[in-house]
Amino acid sequence: GESVGLHLPTLSVQEGDNSIINCAYSNSASDYFIWYKQESGKGPQFIIDIRSNMDKRQGQRVTVLLNKTVKHLSLQIAATQPGDSAVYFCAEKLGGGADGLTFGKGTHLIIQP
Amino acid sequence: EPEVTQTPSHQVTQMGQEVILRCVPISNHLYFYWYRQILGQKVEFLVSFYNNEISEKSEIFDDQFSVERPDGSNFTLKIRSTKLEDSAMYFCASSQSSYSNQPQHFGDGTRLSIL
Repeated sequence: GESVGLHLPTLSVQEGDNSIINCAYSNSASDYFIWYKQESGKGPQFIIDIRSNMDKRQGQRVTVLLNKTVKHLSLQIAATQPGDSAVYFCAEKLGGGADGLTFGKGTHLIIQP
Repeated sequence: EPEVTQTPSHQVTQMGQEVILRCVPISNHLYFYWYRQILGQKVEFLVSFYNNEISEKSEIFDDQFSVERPDGSNFTLKIRSTKLEDSAMYFCASSQSSYSNQPQHFGDGTRLSIL
């Protein structure tokens, strides 16, 4: 089975509202997590990352929360804007070295005016 | 801001032909990756490359695939004898380090269409 997955395929929010995108992972050995944003026709764009020794990290308008007890990761976007419309992927990295990322299926965030 | 660039943006190839996808990673990055994304699906890891050799590869990366860093700036993915199921977006990524706090940065991909 997949080690990283998302709860909802589509999330629709009103412009200006906050949005929360969730992600579940199954491998407790993962020690690094990243959120990517993918717009149509483009590659994944790095948003924010977090290591397993942290439970919260904040960026500009975004916050990532990590709950290792239940293996859950979330991305909070404050005051959503039309430009936030995209597919959001969480990804995990297993162990050290040049390991590849394991991506979840993605959540499509739709911002309604 | 430096970025990963990939060429071509779209490649159409007959089944059975060889194809080479090209990438220019961010200049001070040392680790290079290839991923693919079949339409509507998640991004899948293919291979990582460091110090002129493959570091890790997934089960997708079989003998028909190879990677090369032919010079100081390019990183290529070659697919020999392409199959219909190789049709996908192929993304190149690079990172400054393999340590956990160094994110991988992606290019905008090459859309590979096998006819």
